Amino acid sequence: KAGVTQTPRYLIKTRGQQVTLSCSPISGHRSVSWYQQTPGQGLQFLFEYFSETQRNKGNFPGRFSGRQFSNSRSEMNVSTLELGDSALYLCASSGTEGYNEQFFGPGTRLTVL
Amino acid sequence: AQSVTQLDSQVPVFEEAPVELRCNYSSSVSVYLFWYVQYPNQGLQLLLKYLSGSTLVKGINGFEAEFNKSQTSFHLRKPSVHISDTAEYFCAFDDPSGAQKLVFGQGTRLTINP
Repeated sequence: KAGVTQTPRYLIKTRGQQVTLSCSPISGHRSVSWYQQTPGQGLQFLFEYFSETQRNKGNFPGRFSGRQFSNSRSEMNVSTLELGDSALYLCASSGTEGYNEQFFGPGTRLTVL
Repeated sequence: AQSVTQLDSQVPVFEEAPVELRCNYSSSVSVYLFWYVQYPNQGLQLLLKYLSGSTLVKGINGFEAEFNKSQTSFHLRKPSVHISDTAEYFCAFDDPSGAQKLVFGQGTRLTINP
């Protein structure tokens, strides 16, 4: 089975721009979660989608949004980028029966200049 | 508030020596516990997990962890480390309701010296 894939792997943007990151989960997984990793704040939960619906949301401003498509692929969008949005954005997918561990992708490294 | 504390930000160890990475959690409800490893420029890989049952959990790469409910701890151990174990290690918990909302510690950077 192919693992979780994220595109692009690296991205450079300037302040004020917006960005869209993509995540393709493991085949058959319907839950996709997003995390932000920074040296200062560590790993923080952004949101989780299941069957195209946002089930959980972390404590991030409304500039951070996401969506999930019918094939379980997910995108996250950050509008009006700030320097502090520079981070590694990790996507994780998990199965649907019982409690399932999350499998992480390699991440997208976003640099905001 | 629910949180995870990794007591050491950096742990230097000589090759073939034993290591223990410490993790304490704070939660008002029962939780599931995890250890993840992150190699440079990569995502997170699950080392082991505790959901229920035996408090001693064995994972990949020779790692094991012990869940101690009274001390709210989940320390990670390996009897003999290798250079390839150099990485950052994260302790995390999740709500058993299935929230898929991991709460992570700040990480411990394990450095293995020859």
